Amino acid sequence: AQTVTQSQPEMSVQEAETVTLSCTYDTSESDYYLFWYKQPPSRQMILVIRQEAYKQQNATENRFSVNFQKAAKSFSLKISDSQLGDAAMYFCAYRSGSRLTFGEGTQLTVNP
Amino acid sequence: SAVISQKPSRDICQRGTSLTIQCQVDSQVTMMFWYRQQPGQSLTLIATANQGSEATYESGFVIDKFPISRPNLTFSTLTVSNMSPEDSSIYLCSVATALYEQYFGPGTRLTVT
Repeated sequence: AQTVTQSQPEMSVQEAETVTLSCTYDTSESDYYLFWYKQPPSRQMILVIRQEAYKQQNATENRFSVNFQKAAKSFSLKISDSQLGDAAMYFCAYRSGSRLTFGEGTQLTVNP
Repeated sequence: SAVISQKPSRDICQRGTSLTIQCQVDSQVTMMFWYRQQPGQSLTLIATANQGSEATYESGFVIDKFPISRPNLTFSTLTVSNMSPEDSSIYLCSVATALYEQYFGPGTRLTVT
């Protein structure tokens, strides 16, 4: 079974600085998708960024980018120029077929 | 993307009763899912709601406890039956698009007393 591990239960960053959230996963499959979701206190799950496993190029969405290391099964999220609105729980997720498996989450605090 | 609404947004229920949660999507989607998020925890998939057939349940979840309906490609319901305090959670509806992106509804916060 696929597993997703987020080893940082909590992280903090100063406003305008950069922070990296870690995620590793375990799979024997070669075709899959990886995602980062953000869940603010409103509890709405917001899709932040997606990475296809067959693509070597790292995905980027504005201030959010990933470092995808397929051989190491690592998928970290970098948030640049952090803003107060980035404060949330961040979940890494793995998808193969129709099933989405989530990590335990990292609570990000942004300090003004 | 997809816009998903859920009703109710929250409820407080008595032990032993049942609650039906509705999920409405603004476009036709093939795949709809129901997740549970217990307090302070991650999301766990309950089942995949299949249009025109029975839902596919994950290990640890059974149809008698969590019956699901999917009458068409834009709507689904999840019922939490014979509730106990352990069922207090956020229940989230989710849909997958053809681009293999998955979107979530705003969730239903259930408290069982």
